[in-house]
Amino acid sequence: SQKIEQNSEALNIQEGKTATLTCNYTNYSPAYLQWYRQDPGRGPVFLLLIRENEKEKRKERLKVTFDTTLKQSLFHITASQPADSATYLCALLMMDSSYKLIFGSGTRLLVRP
Amino acid sequence: GAVVSQHPSWVICKSGTSVKIECRSLDFQATTMFWYRQFPKQSLMLMATSNEGSKATYEQGVEKDKFLINHASLTLSTLTVTSAHPEDSSFYICSAPAWAQETQYFGPGTRLLVL
Repeated sequence: SQKIEQNSEALNIQEGKTATLTCNYTNYSPAYLQWYRQDPGRGPVFLLLIRENEKEKRKERLKVTFDTTLKQSLFHITASQPADSATYLCALLMMDSSYKLIFGSGTRLLVRP
Repeated sequence: GAVVSQHPSWVICKSGTSVKIECRSLDFQATTMFWYRQFPKQSLMLMATSNEGSKATYEQGVEKDKFLINHASLTLSTLTVTSAHPEDSSFYICSAPAWAQETQYFGPGTRLLVL
């Protein structure tokens, strides 16, 4: 079965720095890899999607890379702000008829002012 | 963007009682909805796929007789936790796929505490 690994340790960085979060997966490469943000006690919010034939995707201060050889995605937040503090979840979309999302355990990011 | 709501946002119940959670897509129709459960500091675990007009599809290890799902309309799916026990206490989240099903819109979640 597909496994998704994210660093379970919290990432603590200074405001203004770039935060880099890692997502590794096993087995087959997904057609879509997605990143979500989750705040405490709230549902996840979609941030970015990257397809298997894409190496990099950007949205404002966010950047996602996708390396199907390493089976890894990196999620970057540049010029980080305290408001970016949250848990970030990596998810793979099953491209069979189910369209199920398989989530990693998430990495908590804390941006210090 | 599309909005998914859940009701109630939190509920406390006694052991042995049943609890119903509603998930609504507010500005779009969803023939499929997903139900997840999340324990503290853990990831979202998919419980079941709710299909409008047909039976839900449950993930391995999820008891279909305990977690009853009804998808009666294109905008409403309900999850009923029957004979709830303290170990059922968790954060329950629903989602509905966006157009082309590439992403999902999530509800705000329902916190269930079974005493």
